[in-house]
Amino acid sequence: KQEVTQIPAALSVPEGENLVLNCSFTDSAIYNLQWFRQDPGKGLTSLLLIQSSQREQTSGRLNASLDKSSGRSTLYIAASQPGDSATYLCAVSPDSNYQLIWGAGTKLIIKP
Amino acid sequence: GAVVSQHPSRVICKSGTSVKIECRSLDFQATTMFWYRQFPKQSLMLMATSNEGSKATYEQGVEKDKFLINHASLTLSTLTVTSAHPEDSSFYICSARGRRQDVNTGELFFGEGSRLTVL
Repeated sequence: KQEVTQIPAALSVPEGENLVLNCSFTDSAIYNLQWFRQDPGKGLTSLLLIQSSQREQTSGRLNASLDKSSGRSTLYIAASQPGDSATYLCAVSPDSNYQLIWGAGTKLIIKP
Repeated sequence: GAVVSQHPSRVICKSGTSVKIECRSLDFQATTMFWYRQFPKQSLMLMATSNEGSKATYEQGVEKDKFLINHASLTLSTLTVTSAHPEDSSFYICSARGRRQDVNTGELFFGEGSRLTVL
């Protein structure tokens, strides 16, 4: 059974720092992996989608990597800003049916 | 990106009443919609998957008669919480995929969520 783990559960860093959020999964047979952002009391925003054949994806200050063999993905945030404060979730799709298996999230606080 | 609209964003109701939440895909045809529930400080839990024109598939432990899902058209799915009780208070989120190039890659688009509070 696929399990997704995110470490740390919470992270607080000063503004301007580069940071890395971690996501690990137990079964390397995934279809794709997505990183999402959730602001308090709101829905989800898809940040990056990595197909199983890809190694990384970039969008602005965000870079997500995928290492299927080790069951790990990282989300790198460069030059963090207070507006980056949110909960970041990763989720894997085991197959093309697109049902997602979620990590518990990392709550990120960027201090001004 | 594709837009998914969810309504209402917040709803407060009395115990025993029913509440309907709508999820609309605004610029694409959603062949499949997913409904999630999120309790405070917990991750999202998939409740059910609905394909347009067919009955929803519920996850284990989710009561079909309590959480009625209808996906009658390619742009609208509804979740009705019947005879709501305080323990049903939660954040409900829908997501959709469908017939558009970027959606066909596996990316899901999410509604803004609906906060249900049952008194």
